[in-house]
Amino acid sequence: GDSVTQTEGQVALSEEDFLTIHCNYSASGYPTLFWYVQYPGEGPQLLFRASRDKEKGSSRGFEATYDKGTTSFHLRKASVQESDSAVYYCALSFGGSNAKLTFGKGTKLSVKS
Amino acid sequence: DAAVTQKPRYLIKMKGQEAEMKCIPEKGHTAVFWYQQKQSKELKFLIYFQNQQPLDQIDMVKERFSAVCPSSSLCSLGIRTCEAEDSALYLCSSSQFRLGGAETLYFGSGTRLTVL
Repeated sequence: GDSVTQTEGQVALSEEDFLTIHCNYSASGYPTLFWYVQYPGEGPQLLFRASRDKEKGSSRGFEATYDKGTTSFHLRKASVQESDSAVYYCALSFGGSNAKLTFGKGTKLSVKS
Repeated sequence: DAAVTQKPRYLIKMKGQEAEMKCIPEKGHTAVFWYQQKQSKELKFLIYFQNQQPLDQIDMVKERFSAVCPSSSLCSLGIRTCEAEDSALYLCSSSQFRLGGAETLYFGSGTRLTVL
C-alpha cells in the first residue's frame, strides 16, 4: 500500500537555525503531497500542499518541492523560531474514492530561544 | 478556531462500556474522515464518508466501532465495548469532494478518550 516515511522522529534546534525534515513517499500513481502542523491540544492544520512534479509549496517561511524522481517532499525553513515548535506531518492523498490522507509518523520539532 | 467541531472534548469510560463521540463537519463539506492518534504522534485512518455513505474503512472499525453520518451536518463515531487500547485522541476532519484530485482535510481539535 501507499506509505510516507519521515526520517526524523525528533529535531531539536536553536532559534535562527536551519531546518530540514525529510519526507519520502511510496505510492502507485501520482499523489498530492501535504505538510501539516499540529500544536498541542489542536488537530493538524495544513501548512501547504503540492500536486505536480517540481511544484513548490510554501507558507510562513516553510517550503518544500515535489520531486517525483526521488519521491520526496522535504520540508525546509531557513531560520526557525521558538513558535515553530510543533509536530510536523508529511502526507499524501489521491482524492476521489481514495481521498484519505496517509500520514508519516510525524516529526516533533523543539526550538529553544 | 477549527471549523470542524467535535464533542465532547474529553471522554472517560470504564473497560467494557460503550463510547460515542460526535463531529460537526465544516459547512458545505461532503467528505468526513475519522483518525485515531495515540501518544500524540501517529495518525491512523479509521473511516471515510462521502455524502453520508462509508467509502473506506479499516477492519478494526468494521469489527468494533459504529460510525454513521445521519446528515451532512452531523457524524458520530462509537465504540461498542471499550478496551484499554482504545485510549487515544479521535480526530474528525472534513473536506469538499473533487473527482479529479485531492482536497485538503480540515481537522477538529479531537475527542480524547480514556479507558480505565
